[in-house]
Amino acid sequence: QVQLVESGGGLVKPGGSLRLSCAASGFTFSDYYMSWIRQAPGKGLEWVSYISSSGSTIYYADSVKGRFTISRDNAKNSLYLQMNSLRAEDTAVYYCARDPEAMGEPFFDYWGQGTLVTVSS
Amino acid sequence: SYVLTQPPSVSVAPGQTARITCGGNNIGSKSVHWYQQKPGQAPVLVVYDDSDRPSGIPERFSGSNSGNTATLTISRVEAGDEADYYCQVWDSSSDHPGVFGTGTKVTVL
Repeated sequence: QVQLVESGGGLVKPGGSLRLSCAASGFTFSDYYMSWIRQAPGKGLEWVSYISSSGSTIYYADSVKGRFTISRDNAKNSLYLQMNSLRAEDTAVYYCARDPEAMGEPFFDYWGQGTLVTVSS
Repeated sequence: SYVLTQPPSVSVAPGQTARITCGGNNIGSKSVHWYQQKPGQAPVLVVYDDSDRPSGIPERFSGSNSGNTATLTISRVEAGDEADYYCQVWDSSSDHPGVFGTGTKVTVL
């Protein structure tokens, strides 16, 4: 069965860095586009970043552009999010999610359980 | 950037029908997807491409999309449907194309 397991969250000071990982299993990871989506405490969902199956196409939300970097290692079935210059407003649960359709407009059919990132001094 | 607007809350009695709207400029020209999120859990896809249901999602969940409004309809509402619901589109004309709606809390009375 499809599984997405995030890790790497934790407490970090403002201005600090953190690298999130998402381990995928149960499907051919290299065939699928992937995204990171976050949810601040008590708030709604916010799409963060998107990467194509090969890694050649990448998008970012304005709120993280220039600070966050999405990447993937298809040999390791893993998705990553490098987060630099973290701010208090980046505090959220971060989910990785799979886009089931390589063509067409993306949506997300499987989500991980999320990893909490807290940015605080 | 593209904005999706949802009502903050919808209340419905068991057995009745809940309708959750998602407003956006000419949203009828886009594919709309809907997610259900219960407290402490990850979101679950309940409708994709306006009106298709993933396997395992009850037929009670249906969707439509036209003009400036997309709608998720939950028929014969059950207590277990109480959750937050989010619409989502992909704005291909934008450099930051992923967009979620503001979310709607469905309360079963």
